[in-house]
Amino acid sequence: GQQVMQIPQYQHVQEGEDFTTYCNSSTTLSNIQWYKQRPGGHPVFLIQLVKSGEVKKQKRLTFQFGEAKKNSSLHITATQTTDVGTYFCAAIIQGAQKLVFGQGTRLTINP
Amino acid sequence: NAGVTQTPKFQVLKTGQSMTLQCAQDMNHNSMYWYRQDPGMGLRLIYYSASEGTTDKGEVPNGYNVSRLNKREFSLRLESAAPSQTSVYFCASRTGYEQYFGPGTRLTVT
Repeated sequence: GQQVMQIPQYQHVQEGEDFTTYCNSSTTLSNIQWYKQRPGGHPVFLIQLVKSGEVKKQKRLTFQFGEAKKNSSLHITATQTTDVGTYFCAAIIQGAQKLVFGQGTRLTINP
Repeated sequence: NAGVTQTPKFQVLKTGQSMTLQCAQDMNHNSMYWYRQDPGMGLRLIYYSASEGTTDKGEVPNGYNVSRLNKREFSLRLESAAPSQTSVYFCASRTGYEQYFGPGTRLTVT
C-alpha cells in the first residue's frame, strides 16, 4: 500500500534554532497534510498542500510541496518552547476517504 | 460544541477480556475513523466509516470490530484483548479534508 516516510524520527534543538522535517513518498501524492501533536495530546490539523511546488506559511512555519508531488517539508524558523511536539505528515488516498500518516518527527527544545 | 469525545480515557485489561471504546462527535461529520498510535509507528488506521451505515477496514483491522451506531457515534470493540493491542487509540471525524481528533484512550493489556 501507499507509504509515507518521514525523517528524522527525533530532533533536539536549542531554542531559537531552526527545525525541518521531511516527508517522502515513492508515488505521486494528490495532496499532503501536516498535523501537530503536543506531548500527551491529540493530533491537530495544521495545513493541506495541493499544488505542485506549493509553499504556504503560518507565522514561523513554512510548508512546501515538491515539484513532483512526492515530497514535502515543514520548516520552523527560530523555534520556541511552544513548538515542542510531534509533527506528522499525512497523505490522502482513496478518494479522500483515508489518510496514511508518516511516522512523525518528535521535536524537543532546550530552553 | 465538544468536538470529538472518547471514553474511557484510560483502561487496563487482562488478556482475553473484551471492551468497547466509545467515540462521539457533535459536528455533523459524515466520516469517522479509528487509529492506534504506537511509539515510532505514527498513526495507523484500524477502521473507518465514510458515512452512517458503512464501515471499512483500514491498515490494521485484525482483532477489532466497529459499529457506526448513528451519525454521531462510532465504537471500537476488542473481543479478546491481547498485549499487542496495548496502545493509544484515537477516534477522528472529518469534514472536507481536515480530520478532527478526540483526546484518545490509553489502553494497557496485561
